[in-house]
Amino acid sequence: GESVGLHLPTLSVQEGDNSIINCAYSNSASDYFIWYKQESGKGPQFIIDIRSNMDKRQGQRVTVLLNKTVKHLSLQIAATQPGDSAVYFCAENTGGFKTIFGAGTRLFVKA
Amino acid sequence: GAVVSQHPSRVICKSGTSVKIECRSLDFQATTMFWYRQFPKKSLMLMATSNEGSKATYEQGVEKDKFLINHASLTLSTLTVTSAHPEDSSFYICSARVRGESNTEAFFGQGTRLTVV
Repeated sequence: GESVGLHLPTLSVQEGDNSIINCAYSNSASDYFIWYKQESGKGPQFIIDIRSNMDKRQGQRVTVLLNKTVKHLSLQIAATQPGDSAVYFCAENTGGFKTIFGAGTRLFVKA
Repeated sequence: GAVVSQHPSRVICKSGTSVKIECRSLDFQATTMFWYRQFPKKSLMLMATSNEGSKATYEQGVEKDKFLINHASLTLSTLTVTSAHPEDSSFYICSARVRGESNTEAFFGQGTRLTVV
């Protein structure tokens, strides 16, 4: 079936550098995308979302980019901090209500 | 933001017994809640959609008789793992969306770590 996936399973960055986490999705009908952060032993935490009528959205230190032509999402984290170390999931809403998760990328921030 | 609470956060049970996990939306009403399962170092897998006042909708491959879902009120959904076996050990997570809202963020509980011995 159609699914959301990730290019990079792990990413290691130096504290203070920018991080870019990528995600490819295959359901062309998806119209809402979300990035979640999950720390060990906890539930996912909302970071930022974007609708399909946009190609960029910015939050505090985070930016999500959506390229519908190639079905690609990315999450950019500026000035990465040790507290950003976690697993990041992209997710898509299908059918309006269900949220389907991608494979996840583990981000390591080196001090 | 809205708060979703799961209980218990951890549970250990013996093989053959049943375990109930509760998911509550604390400050909003949720006609729809979702149950996910997560294995170590893996992604969240949607198990079922819990609908208030009606039967749950299960994803393909999920045994509905094994994972009983009840959504008796607008703020509570329960997942019961029946006749649990060691392979049912996993991290179970629920989420909820504010009543009437689609294509908005879902709020997640803190998860329940189930260990079957």
